[in-house]
Amino acid sequence: QKEVEQNSGPLSVPEGAIASLNCTYSDRVSQSFFWYRQYSGKSPELIMSIYSNGDKEDGRFTAQLNKASQYVSLLIRDSQPSDSATYLCAVEPGSGGYNKLIFGAGTRLAVHP
Amino acid sequence: DTGVSQNPRHKITKRGQNVTFRCDPISEHNRLYWYRQTLGQGPEFLTYFQNEAQLEKSRLLSDRFSAERPKGSFSTLEIQRTEQGDSAMYLCASSSVTYEQYFGPGTRLTVT
Repeated sequence: QKEVEQNSGPLSVPEGAIASLNCTYSDRVSQSFFWYRQYSGKSPELIMSIYSNGDKEDGRFTAQLNKASQYVSLLIRDSQPSDSATYLCAVEPGSGGYNKLIFGAGTRLAVHP
Repeated sequence: DTGVSQNPRHKITKRGQNVTFRCDPISEHNRLYWYRQTLGQGPEFLTYFQNEAQLEKSRLLSDRFSAERPKGSFSTLEIQRTEQGDSAMYLCASSSVTYEQYFGPGTRLTVT
């Protein structure tokens, strides 16, 4: 079982719709969770961090965390073609201290006009 | 610009040659990380520094790989006797006490 799992996609949504990206993780003691956006050929860009159960909103982005279900998601409201990218879920394992991120393989999002 | 910088941005080398990459973190960040990313995969952790101390190394980091962070500022990652399987994007990230990691633009290595 992979430590961090994401659907590879592509997830195709029309412009203006809500895009929902999901991620599950295997380490129950993980405490910190991050979403990164990566355009083709570029490096990952931090979008959101979330540490507590519930929702965290930042502009058009909402991160949701459910530690009991080991599940974290990212909602993108009013999706724009410029949101088309690969979205990487990253988890900081709880054991061993705050010293690395474990990434999923990413979900490719395509927003069409 | 106060972001993470990496040099060179691209490196093409022949198998068996040594290469060295440099990373300059965000100035107030004391934590520095190296990752490797291949096509279609997420970044994989290689090693981590807190100030000048290298505190963790991945099993991915074979004895051909070495990283340093003298004086807790910039860091270098050296690969000796490169192999075709070393071809990847090498990413550097830095963080402060908030643990949010910010990535540099990466160095793309091609081993021919």
